[in-house]
This record gives sequence, C-alpha cells and structure tokens, in this order.
Amino acid sequence: GAGVSQSPSNKVTEKGKDVELRCDPISGHTALYWYRQSLGQGLEFLIYFQGNSAPDKSGLPSDRFSAERTGGSVSTLTIQRTQQEDSAVYLCASSLSTKGGYTFGSGTRLTVV
Amino acid sequence: DAKTTQPPSMDCAEGRAANLPCNHSTISGNEYVYWYRQIHSQGPQYIIHGLKNNETNEMASLIITEDRKSSTLILPHATLRDTAVYYCIARAQTGANNLFFGTGTRLTVIP
Repeated sequence: GAGVSQSPSNKVTEKGKDVELRCDPISGHTALYWYRQSLGQGLEFLIYFQGNSAPDKSGLPSDRFSAERTGGSVSTLTIQRTQQEDSAVYLCASSLSTKGGYTFGSGTRLTVV
Repeated sequence: DAKTTQPPSMDCAEGRAANLPCNHSTISGNEYVYWYRQIHSQGPQYIIHGLKNNETNEMASLIITEDRKSSTLILPHATLRDTAVYYCIARAQTGANNLFFGTGTRLTVIP
C-alpha cells in the first residue's frame, strides 16, 4: 500500500485479556518501529526491527509485551494480561533505512476497561 | 542522541512564515537534525532532516547554524492545517535505533 497500515484502528478490551495489534509497513521498508503515546504525552519507543537482525526490545515496558515481524514485513505487537495503564495509542512506523525519515501509521487506540 | 530544547508553544498568523527554533548544543558530529510534526489524533509526519547544510523541500526549510548548536524550521506560508506539535530530534544515522520524541512545540496558526 501507499502508507503504513495499522489494525484495528480502535480496540476496547477488558482488563486481563490479551490483545494483538497489527502493522503493515510500506513495501520494501526494512526498518519497523513500534511506539506508544498515552493521552497528552509524548511518544514512547517500544521496539525496533531491522531486516533479519535481532530486534531492539529495549523499550518494552514489561514481559507482557512482545512483538514479532514475519518475513520481514507484517508485524504484530502482543500485550498479554492487559492492564488499564496499557491504554494508549500504539503507533507503528517504517523506513527504508535508518537514514531517512520514518512514515507513521495512524495508530491503534487501545482502551483497557 | 543529543538532547534538544524547544519552546512549548508558539502562535503564527495564517499566511505568515512560522519559524520554529530548536537548541541542540550537545549535538555530535554524526548526528542529524530531524523534524517531525503531529497533527491532532494522527501519527507523526516526517518533515525534513539535515546535517549541516540548509535544506528545503516542498513542506519546509531547515536552517542549521554554522556551529550546529541550533536550528530553525521554517514554514514559509503557514496555513490552519499546519497547526500541530512540531518535534526536533538529533539522531545519528548509524548505530541508533530509536527516535526520541521530546515534548515539542505546539504551533497554533491563527486565522
């Protein structure tokens, strides 16, 4: 597609449930990033994928968070046993390399009730 | 990555140039200056980046001082749709995985 696509756009889940968020990066982009943004806050880095290299998971806030990227394309961010503090907009971005600008998706708004 | 400092907010009249400053006094020689903006309820949008030469594209111009300790993003003719939070980021292009978004400058374009 022309841009970074994220799904679902909105997700409401009950506390304790697991959720999966999906990101389709721009075709050919080797770098993929996940960020989250809580209401009124800045962007918080979560995880980074670059080609076949081991991902940089240094931003994941707890072991309830995990992400994978299959075939160097689509990525899934999984949050297990969701908590209310996980409520945020989860943003995915991709880039052709680490040198250029990132293209962000519109995000998934996650609400844990 | 070098820390950047931006004013929290600015206003600009519609049709006038918006000049957004950024201080990055600890920037190292291999760090580029990137600008992004985030319009309400949308993901951030890449605007421009540069190392030491001034840069211009269809969205904006980037002026970097000779000592590289500060820069200015210029929107030549601001429109209401340019109202957004603008982030200035200093980042090396190699060995760096993360763009650190600070608090940015909230630009309000006034009719």
